[in-house]
Amino acid sequence: DTGVSQDPRHKITKRGQNVTFRCDPISEHNRLYWYRQTLGQGPEFLTYFQNEAQLEKSRLLSDRFSAERPKGSFSTLEIQRTEQGDSAMYLCASHGQGANYEQYFGPGTRLTVT
Amino acid sequence: AQTVTQSQPEMSVQEAETVTLSCTYDTSESDYYLFWYKQPPSRQMILVIRQEAYKQQNATENRFSVNFQKAAKSFSLKISDSQLGDAAMYFCAYRSAWSGANSKLTFGKGITLSVRP
Repeated sequence: DTGVSQDPRHKITKRGQNVTFRCDPISEHNRLYWYRQTLGQGPEFLTYFQNEAQLEKSRLLSDRFSAERPKGSFSTLEIQRTEQGDSAMYLCASHGQGANYEQYFGPGTRLTVT
Repeated sequence: AQTVTQSQPEMSVQEAETVTLSCTYDTSESDYYLFWYKQPPSRQMILVIRQEAYKQQNATENRFSVNFQKAAKSFSLKISDSQLGDAAMYFCAYRSAWSGANSKLTFGKGITLSVRP
């Protein structure tokens, strides 16, 4: 499978717990994005990596959120001290350099904070 | 900052008929890309069609075509010969074409399309 994969697909956690999500982009893609999608809304940009460097973070990414992309391969998104407002679908997307600017999306991780 | 507006939350179309989904956007940039993405229920988002702002010709992909009006900042999607598999949420999205920019997508709220058999 050469698509973008995300793990887990679903996560239910209690308020105050920490959670970590993983994204594996398409192997030759050097750019990786995280988006958050709440019910009835379009995805909103959270953060962006070019290789291992995190180049931009949205104001939506509070101090409780941290993302990494060690070695420019997979990426993790951690949420500390989860709140009910963090409940959403977290989407990962990747694309490479060149003429094809299509972002390929993963299936998402649906987080429910109870 | 760029914004994308999809003002129709839901639309319905009879199978085999044609439907048009509307999208407007706002930007001060002259060069950019516009996209329509499809998100089927519980499935991942896939690209339907892409339009480069510098191209005057409207993009087409099989049954899907766009009406790109740059001056009006309008970007609608036409689906011809609608099929049951077209039922999904459709998002209009914007991306800057500046090579040094973060290639993040700015999405509209989406429109839920249902197809009646």
